[in-house]
Amino acid sequence: EDQVTQSPEALRLQEGESSSLNCSYTVSGLRGLFWYRQDPGKGPEFLFTLYSAGEEKEKERLKATLTKKESFLHITAPKPEDSATYLCAVLFDSSNTGKLIFGQGTTLQVKP
Amino acid sequence: DAGVIQSPRHEVTEMGQEVTLRCKPISGHNSLFWYRQTMMRGLELLIYFNNNVPIDDSGMPEDRFSAKMPNASFSTLKIQPSEPRDSAVYFCASTLDRLTEAFFGQGTRLTVV
Repeated sequence: EDQVTQSPEALRLQEGESSSLNCSYTVSGLRGLFWYRQDPGKGPEFLFTLYSAGEEKEKERLKATLTKKESFLHITAPKPEDSATYLCAVLFDSSNTGKLIFGQGTTLQVKP
Repeated sequence: DAGVIQSPRHEVTEMGQEVTLRCKPISGHNSLFWYRQTMMRGLELLIYFNNNVPIDDSGMPEDRFSAKMPNASFSTLKIQPSEPRDSAVYFCASTLDRLTEAFFGQGTRLTVV
């Protein structure tokens, strides 16, 4: 069964304390992996796309990496405004149509 | 571009009533997704369309749910009859093509009492 699992479910950091979020997947025909940020009461906001193992993307304090089995979202020196739920989604294309499945998310709280 | 537009933003209805949620995707996008989000189950894919054609509706919970996409700029998700367990936030998302990132609307918060 195709599955996307994120860990931890929740993470509390002090401002400036770097950490990583994990997204592991078991899907056939992976075509891409996406990271999103979701603030309360809003829709998910796109952050990164990764298409192949070894690929890395960066944006401000965030860096996403991809291996054949998992992806990491590294947060360097986070600030309180980085507090949000981070979602990973896997696009697999087993029937050439494109199906996007989300993990349960990691809720990050950064304290000043 | 205004992004993906969903309406209404909030809907409160009584059990047994019909509910229709609406979505306008980003112009030029070829794929459209309907998701449901709850605390317990996270974001669940209900159905998705490619070029207005339903591709996979295996996530639709039961026959009370139906979705249509009559043209490239409009889609509806209908629940008839609604039940309290349908209470959730429903999101619509669209993508330029089937292999690119999805852009989400602000969601419709549905409460069935």
